[in-house]
Amino acid sequence: DQQVKQNSPSLSVQEGRISILNCDYTNSMFDYFLWYKKYPAEGPTFLISISSIKDKNEDGRFTVFLNKSAKHLSLHIVPSQPGDSAVYFCAAGSGTSYGKLTFGQGTILTVHP
Amino acid sequence: DTGVSQNPRHKITKRGQNVTFRCDPISEHNRLYWYRQTLGQGPEFLTYFQNEAQLEKSRLLSDRFSAERPKGSFSTLEIQRTEQGDSAMYLCASSQVGQYQPQHFGDGTRLSIL
Repeated sequence: DQQVKQNSPSLSVQEGRISILNCDYTNSMFDYFLWYKKYPAEGPTFLISISSIKDKNEDGRFTVFLNKSAKHLSLHIVPSQPGDSAVYFCAAGSGTSYGKLTFGQGTILTVHP
Repeated sequence: DTGVSQNPRHKITKRGQNVTFRCDPISEHNRLYWYRQTLGQGPEFLTYFQNEAQLEKSRLLSDRFSAERPKGSFSTLEIQRTEQGDSAMYLCASSQVGQYQPQHFGDGTRLSIL
């Protein structure tokens, strides 16, 4: 039972353009969502998070949007840079179990110069 | 902040052997987590500690797996009688206690079972 899904295995964008990565979840108990970036041979690096009391959170070039009614979140990267090329994972947690994060399968982002 | 440290980075062993991994969390973080990641998948939760107490364990953590955090600092994850299916990347993360605290990951230990 995949409670967090990233339906796009890969995304390719041009440098300077916007990258939009999507994530859907099924568990209504999730109230905390995070995005991680992962380079080969490294562990995931925390990027940005959002709690369910908000619908948007922004940090520099990264913005996360949460649509609770649709159980959907997205990560916008503007402008995209070649160094953003990595695997992006969305993750979700709930107030009943802050220890456990449930991850999506990841989306490979490639930013072309 | 020196980050989460995991050792060894790679472990190759024969089926049936026991292996132990170590994780040193970020020093001021009271919570420590273990995840497992296989190719093409996101990390899967195994267990987590708050200080010395193991507060949650996944069904993925069979009887062959045991994790400890004896003094509330570093943690070890032991796998006994390893099987082919145990081949994976084992990731450790840590966080501060509190609502909505992000988990910060180490670079993992890659386990290969021959």
